[in-house]
Amino acid sequence: DAKTTQPPSMDCAEGRAANLPCNHSTISGNEYVYWYRQIHSQGPQYIIHGLKNNETNEMASLIITEDRKSSTLILPHATLRDTAVYYCIVRSLGGSNYKLTFGKGTLLTVNP
Amino acid sequence: EPEVTQTPSHQVTQMGQEVILRCVPISNHLYFYWYRQILGQKVEFLVSFYNNEISEKSEIFDDQFSVERPDGSNFTLKIRSTKLEDSAMYFCASSDWTGDYEQYFGPGTRLTVT
Repeated sequence: DAKTTQPPSMDCAEGRAANLPCNHSTISGNEYVYWYRQIHSQGPQYIIHGLKNNETNEMASLIITEDRKSSTLILPHATLRDTAVYYCIVRSLGGSNYKLTFGKGTLLTVNP
Repeated sequence: EPEVTQTPSHQVTQMGQEVILRCVPISNHLYFYWYRQILGQKVEFLVSFYNNEISEKSEIFDDQFSVERPDGSNFTLKIRSTKLEDSAMYFCASSDWTGDYEQYFGPGTRLTVT
């Protein structure tokens, strides 16, 4: 699976949009971009994923650049409860290899 | 909303003892996983399980570890002879066979080996 690069930490004001970047310049054509978050040692929580089109769900939006070498997770109106470590994970769905490989992620701190 | 559950939430055991960590995956899911997270470190994949057999395991998952789906609802991780370095949070996850196999995680079991 392709390697990802994320900033170690970011701050965001409550009520503002949080934009979390991820670089995955070696992504291949069959690899998806997944985002998970982990709130204070709880189990990782699935947020969203995409292949090449932008995606939106009730939690967030995922913007993937046209060349697929980077993506941005957008939390449109961050709340204090969104303070967490956010993981960008690239994964292929070929064969039986469905494991997730977590990096260090980005610690997002939402400030009042 | 269906969720993955894990028991116990915290397990304290002495070095050399056997422990069994239990998970109840989401009911219609067919793929099951165990991960662990040592305090302050990354979440690490241990093993994946499908169709009653291990489909992939990491280097961490040595002969001291085993997994089992003893019935239609439980999925267990057994550590035969615990070591101090097994102290960690253990997370169970499951995923559906449809869609893009997004995994849903349980709240974890904190294992403390003394």
